[in-house]
Amino acid sequence: AQSVSQHNHHVILSEAASLELGCNYSYGGTVNLFWYVQYPGQHLQLLLKYFSGDPLVKGIKGFEAEFIKSKFSFNLRKPSVQWSDTAEYFCAVSKDSSYKLIFGSGTRLLVRP
Amino acid sequence: NAGVTQTPKFRVLKTGQSMTLLCAQDMNHEYMYWYRQDPGMGLRLIHYSVGEGTTAKGEVPDGYNVSRLKKQNFLLGLESAAPSQTSVYFCASSYVGGSVLSYNEQFFGPGTRLTVL
Repeated sequence: AQSVSQHNHHVILSEAASLELGCNYSYGGTVNLFWYVQYPGQHLQLLLKYFSGDPLVKGIKGFEAEFIKSKFSFNLRKPSVQWSDTAEYFCAVSKDSSYKLIFGSGTRLLVRP
Repeated sequence: NAGVTQTPKFRVLKTGQSMTLLCAQDMNHEYMYWYRQDPGMGLRLIHYSVGEGTTAKGEVPDGYNVSRLKKQNFLLGLESAAPSQTSVYFCASSYVGGSVLSYNEQFFGPGTRLTVL
């Protein structure tokens, strides 16, 4: 069965530190990849998505992610985090043309001022 | 546009009670979904619908029923609540067709926090 792994369950950073959150998936076919963010007490919002083309995807709020097909990875990065980035981050994958998303277990990020 | 809305926001049930969660979307989306979110487990798909009058099982459908009588509404029912159904429930909706850039992007509601005692 297809799975999505987020290896870091909790990450604590100081403001201005760089961020990289890992996401790996197990499906070998065509995939669409997403990162969603959930700020405290709020619903999920789309940060960025990859469908095709340039494997380096830029999203909102300075986030970017790189799709590395050979590594089945879609890691999320931000060069300098802010306190307001404190949230839970979810990687999600859909395979082929499926409309169903499979979510990773999430990574809780705490940014200390 | 209100996007995706959910009612109620919070609910406490006793074991064995029933309830219905309502999801509504005003984006004319064909597809709608119900997820549950539990600590350390991400979001798991309960049921989904690909159009008015259609429903299908997701990853964790047991103990839940759904109905999609109108395109804009998707109801999630618990017939006999159990403590294992204590969770946060999210509804989502998505496009069919249109730009490939929007394909599969799901829009989420604010969630319903349900506690079953």
